[in-house]
Amino acid sequence: KAGVTQTPRYLIKTRGQQVTLSCSPISGHRSVSWYQQTPGQGLQFLFEYFSETQRNKGNFPGRFSGRQFSNSRSEMNVSTLELGDSALYLCASSLALTDLGTEAFFGQGTRLTVV
Amino acid sequence: QKEVEQNSGPLSVPEGAIASLNCTYSDRGSQSFFWYRQYSGKSPELIMSIYSNGDKEDGRFTAQLNKASQYVSLLIRDSQPSDSATYLCAQGGNNRLAFGKGNQVVVIP
Repeated sequence: KAGVTQTPRYLIKTRGQQVTLSCSPISGHRSVSWYQQTPGQGLQFLFEYFSETQRNKGNFPGRFSGRQFSNSRSEMNVSTLELGDSALYLCASSLALTDLGTEAFFGQGTRLTVV
Repeated sequence: QKEVEQNSGPLSVPEGAIASLNCTYSDRGSQSFFWYRQYSGKSPELIMSIYSNGDKEDGRFTAQLNKASQYVSLLIRDSQPSDSATYLCAQGGNNRLAFGKGNQVVVIP
């Protein structure tokens, strides 16, 4: 069974540019959530999608956005990149990340460096 | 107050010993808790999930949940050098995971 696939694995962008990251969840999983990981802040929640609907959003500026397609694949976009956006961006796949809680599995992440 | 706290600093344990990690949380309504292991430069890997009070064992790992005291712990028995990693505690709920900052474990051969 294929795991969670994130592309690209590495990105180097210039300040002010925008970037799009992609995540393909485990087959049959309908929930995709995104996290930013930095050494200082740890893992921080960005947003979660289920059946193409954003169900929750973390405390990030509007420059961070996402979407989910009908096949459950998800993309996140960061516009007007800042140096502080340099981080490991992780996508997690779950059957349904409800309040009852189901297990979430992470992709390998996209390492974004903003210069 | 942070949602999930892991306050212990790096933990060094001799090979074969028990490593004990603790985590406290603030949301009494949460019903799901998870432990992830993250090797340096890699993504988090789910190693344990626990939903009800008490102990849950899986191989050398035991997770313990105490909802009344709002803490969850992880024991690693017979620690191996391959267990050297950062361990992240996570709380589920509201369609997201809230993570602690993690505890680094170093197993000394």
